[in-house]
Amino acid sequence: ETGVTQSPTHLIKTRGQQVTLRCSSQSGHNTVSWYQQALGQGPQFIFQYYREEENGRGNFPPRFSGLQFPNYSSELNVNALELDDSALYLCASSLGGGVETQYFGPGTRLLVL
Amino acid sequence: QKEVEQDPGPLSVPEGAIVSLNCTYSNSAFQYFMWYRQYSRKGPELLMYTYSSGNKEDGRFTAQVDKSSKYISLFIRDSQPSDSATYLCAMSAKTGANNLFFGTGTRLTVIP
Repeated sequence: ETGVTQSPTHLIKTRGQQVTLRCSSQSGHNTVSWYQQALGQGPQFIFQYYREEENGRGNFPPRFSGLQFPNYSSELNVNALELDDSALYLCASSLGGGVETQYFGPGTRLLVL
Repeated sequence: QKEVEQDPGPLSVPEGAIVSLNCTYSNSAFQYFMWYRQYSRKGPELLMYTYSSGNKEDGRFTAQVDKSSKYISLFIRDSQPSDSATYLCAMSAKTGANNLFFGTGTRLTVIP
């Protein structure tokens, strides 16, 4: 098991609502990346936070936003939810953003009705 | 055209078989190539990480990269039931994790 935890594990929302997902990074890691994994697809990079600053963003609209806190935990916020936002949201923590030190959490499964 | 193409399978093999998993890609800027394993209800776990062309071996796993053909492979020797999972290829043009492109994943079942 990695030291990356995510909450909640499952969530059901309706279209137009807002959602906040949380991630606690592995001890000693200062970087958190968020990914969206639709059913039957590979993860898609949403954005990365390094030392509380956004450090790269994928092709996602501004209604996807995030925060990183001084303890390096992170939140993903999605406003105006759409049906296509239904997916597994993965967070991964790493040291300095390197792939080889990146560990994924188990994900939060979001269903938008 | 997707950046990374991967046959979704599913793939079923008997225990002990050699498994070959493959991905193709279109972006010639990709230099870093990864294979992840994802068990059901878990996040992906990094198996292999290679730079540029060539082979890398780790136990029963061998990763191959052919940049001239834009083709990467993962071979699993002496496959075990515990290898049953979804295998994802991923690649990037830079070293950082903020630039990863994943394939769709291949679901593998190893039958005892």
